[in-house]
Amino acid sequence: GESVGLHLPTLSVQEGDNSIINCAYSNSASDYFIWYKQESGKGPQFIIDIRSNMDKRQGQRVTVLLNKTVKHLSLQIAATQPGDSAVYFCAENIGNSGYSTLTFGKGTMLLVSP
Amino acid sequence: DVKVTQSSRYLVKRTGEKVFLECVQDMDHENMFWYRQDPGLGLRLIYFSYDVKMKEKGDIPEGYSVSREKKERFSLILESASTNQTSMYLCASRSSLRGIYGYTFGSGTRLTVV
Repeated sequence: GESVGLHLPTLSVQEGDNSIINCAYSNSASDYFIWYKQESGKGPQFIIDIRSNMDKRQGQRVTVLLNKTVKHLSLQIAATQPGDSAVYFCAENIGNSGYSTLTFGKGTMLLVSP
Repeated sequence: DVKVTQSSRYLVKRTGEKVFLECVQDMDHENMFWYRQDPGLGLRLIYFSYDVKMKEKGDIPEGYSVSREKKERFSLILESASTNQTSMYLCASRSSLRGIYGYTFGSGTRLTVV
């Protein structure tokens, strides 16, 4: 079957480089954002989240930056590894928990060369 | 860890067949979702359910129906499968607690309609 990775913007990096994946979101009322990672043949997995009252949040090797002025979200991966190769999606939430749904970006494929 | 289990990884069905895609979660989550994922189109919401017996149409409900008779199980039904329903189908669940927005996804079912 056709891979979800076809037709996607692709970022190619060398192992050990830092990677930056960008996402523009659509709704200024969005109050919560998530980055998901999807490896080939698997469902999306949660990486990191950020609420709209924050500008930056750090996890293990990952940092999410939020710029509400221009409705832009980025995911930074430090010291990228071959295991980081995957499709990365941003998602935004609007509304109260339990009565809202996430809207997903179309994704970016990250390819890491050894 | 929350587990969301989709009963089949791969399915091949004939045009006109009635198809059932099953999803079970084991963490007592109130909210459950069905998405389809297609190259170039990202994840699109088909149906979701806030709780048992409840269902809401997503962005692309045509040709689909759902059933939520038990809290842990959310079934997607293709009443009469067509070739344009060939896709990757992803189920997700989420708690309805306030402040919890992220989904946990299953591994997906790749459906081919011939």
